[in-house]
Amino acid sequence: KQEVTQIPAALSVPEGENLVLNCSFTDSAIYNLQWFRQDPGKGLTSLLLIQSSQREQTSGRLNASLDKSSGRSTLYIAASQPGDSATYLCAVRGNDMRFGAGTRLTVKP
Amino acid sequence: EPEVTQTPSHQVTQMGQEVILRCVPISNHLYFYWYRQILGQKVEFLVSFYNNEISEKSEIFDDQFSVERPDGSNFTLKIRSTKLEDSAMYFCASSQWADTQYFGPGTRLTVL
Repeated sequence: KQEVTQIPAALSVPEGENLVLNCSFTDSAIYNLQWFRQDPGKGLTSLLLIQSSQREQTSGRLNASLDKSSGRSTLYIAASQPGDSATYLCAVRGNDMRFGAGTRLTVKP
Repeated sequence: EPEVTQTPSHQVTQMGQEVILRCVPISNHLYFYWYRQILGQKVEFLVSFYNNEISEKSEIFDDQFSVERPDGSNFTLKIRSTKLEDSAMYFCASSQWADTQYFGPGTRLTVL
């Protein structure tokens, strides 16, 4: 059974810092991995999707990498801003979609 | 920009009652999904739907749950006899292919 773990559970950084969020999964037989952000009481906003054959994807200040063989993905956020404050979720697509518990990010002005 | 919509935003019901949660996926999408998130817990997959039938379902999606695409735009989740533990946020999602999933804002279900 696929297990998805995200470290750290919470992170607080000053504005402008670059940061890395980590996601690990136990079963490497995946189709893709997707990163989302979730604001309190709201739905999920898709940030990046990496297919199993890809190594990384970039969108603006975000860069996600995937190492399928070691069961790891990272989300790199450059030059963080207070508006980046949210919970970041990774989700792994196999036969179903398995989510991590998320990293709660706070970016202080 | 097209988006997934869900109604109602909040549903309160008595234990044992039937509820229907409604979703309008993005119009050219072919795959539809339901997820739930119990307060403070992970998002959990319930079911995926493609070509008018269930393609995958989780162990949570038992006989009390059903899904339907009654017309060309709506996608519904029915819970036949609600329990207290069904209280959660329910999210609908859709994707064009088996790729990026776009989520709706959710329906908060409260079972009393």
